[in-house]
Amino acid sequence: DVKVTQSSRYLVKRTGEKVFLECVQDMDHENMFWYRQDPGLGLRLIYFSYDVKMKEKGDIPEGYSVSREKKERFSLILESASTNQTSMYLCATTDSRSTNEKLFFGSGTQLSVL
Amino acid sequence: DAKTTQPNSMESNEEEPVHLPCNHSTISGTDYIHWYRQLPSQGPEYVIHGLTSNVNNRMASLAIAEDRKSSTLILHRATLRDAAVYYCILSPDYGQNFVFGPGTRLSVLP
Repeated sequence: DVKVTQSSRYLVKRTGEKVFLECVQDMDHENMFWYRQDPGLGLRLIYFSYDVKMKEKGDIPEGYSVSREKKERFSLILESASTNQTSMYLCATTDSRSTNEKLFFGSGTQLSVL
Repeated sequence: DAKTTQPNSMESNEEEPVHLPCNHSTISGTDYIHWYRQLPSQGPEYVIHGLTSNVNNRMASLAIAEDRKSSTLILHRATLRDAAVYYCILSPDYGQNFVFGPGTRLSVLP
């Protein structure tokens, strides 16, 4: 089975801090995604990447950036964390070599910005 | 993006079948129907997906209406571990754009 590992399960940061959320996958998948999940809003796509050094904006990219220097690692960066970025962050991958392949998710990082 | 509509919540008794409905009246001909579920404190996990024909796997069955405007996820024998939020989403064949709605929260009663 694909393993998608997010570096932290819980994270507490202060307003204005720079925050890095790391995601690593072990199945050589091309596509990687960052979502945030908030009560009543479902999952919303922040950014995705379909190859090394490639990135595309999702539905809510404002306040975030991403980095994909290696195929297996996709990082989400909050340049200056704000309280409205308190949320559950979920990383996911798919294999683009198959059509309409399923998503594999990590366990999530619950970020609190104080 | 085509949208799906699901009931906010459903309840089932343990060891009974559960039918989770999903409406997707604006589905296009190339959209696949995916189901995921999210257990408490975990990321979503894949359950099943299909295009036109009914599908079965070890977790569940997917029944797709002939006009494809609705589908039903069937858990044949609910267990307490099936209590989760279930998401029905549409995914175009050519892309990777998965749009998640609020889903259906399934409670399983002992």
